[in-house]
Amino acid sequence: DAGITQSPRYKITETGRQVTLMCHQTWSHSYMFWYRQDLGHGLRLIYYSAAADITDKGEVPDGYVVSRSKTENFPLTLESATRSQTSVYFCASSENRGVYSYEQYFGPGTRLTVT
Amino acid sequence: KNEVEQSPQNLTAQEGEFITINCSYSVGISALHWLQQHPGGGIVSLFMLSSGKKKHGRLIATINIQEKHSSLHITASHPRDSAVYICAVRGSGNQFYFGTGTSLTVIP
Repeated sequence: DAGITQSPRYKITETGRQVTLMCHQTWSHSYMFWYRQDLGHGLRLIYYSAAADITDKGEVPDGYVVSRSKTENFPLTLESATRSQTSVYFCASSENRGVYSYEQYFGPGTRLTVT
Repeated sequence: KNEVEQSPQNLTAQEGEFITINCSYSVGISALHWLQQHPGGGIVSLFMLSSGKKKHGRLIATINIQEKHSSLHITASHPRDSAVYICAVRGSGNQFYFGTGTSLTVIP
């Protein structure tokens, strides 16, 4: 299906486990983003990627790892999950319109619970 | 510190009312976004603004760069407009900052 998808949609894991959240987009957008959404904080940027093999830290990158070997995929890995990483995670993508900003298209979100 | 502040945090309106949601920001920006998050959690981009005003159906967004302020207006509000509206700005250094959202409930 065209668009941006995330998997899994729901995940429960234990403290200390590694977990990977997947994000896939079919538009060939150059930019992709990972956000977490928590009550009282709104959306916060974890990592973003301007193109394949180019990633950069956002506001809250600690405890997370990303990679982008293909334009369409942008997985987010929690190397050793902690309870504070319980959150809803959103992936987004956008075109590169040069100097000026661009609209972002959001995935449906992954609700992660760390017990 | 919050780079983006929205007001009000919560808003209840009667169907048909004119609604205004405000966003103030403290950083230099290249663009401002208004997002809508439905009760089911999905997020949709409504507007992207760098100056002036944009209109889409019953929604109008304005931005005043000098005052670092934007407003989202909904005319003839409807219960299906009930959602959380989020203001977001892109700073000069590729950083994105988000407000905590305005929860709107429109009562029939």
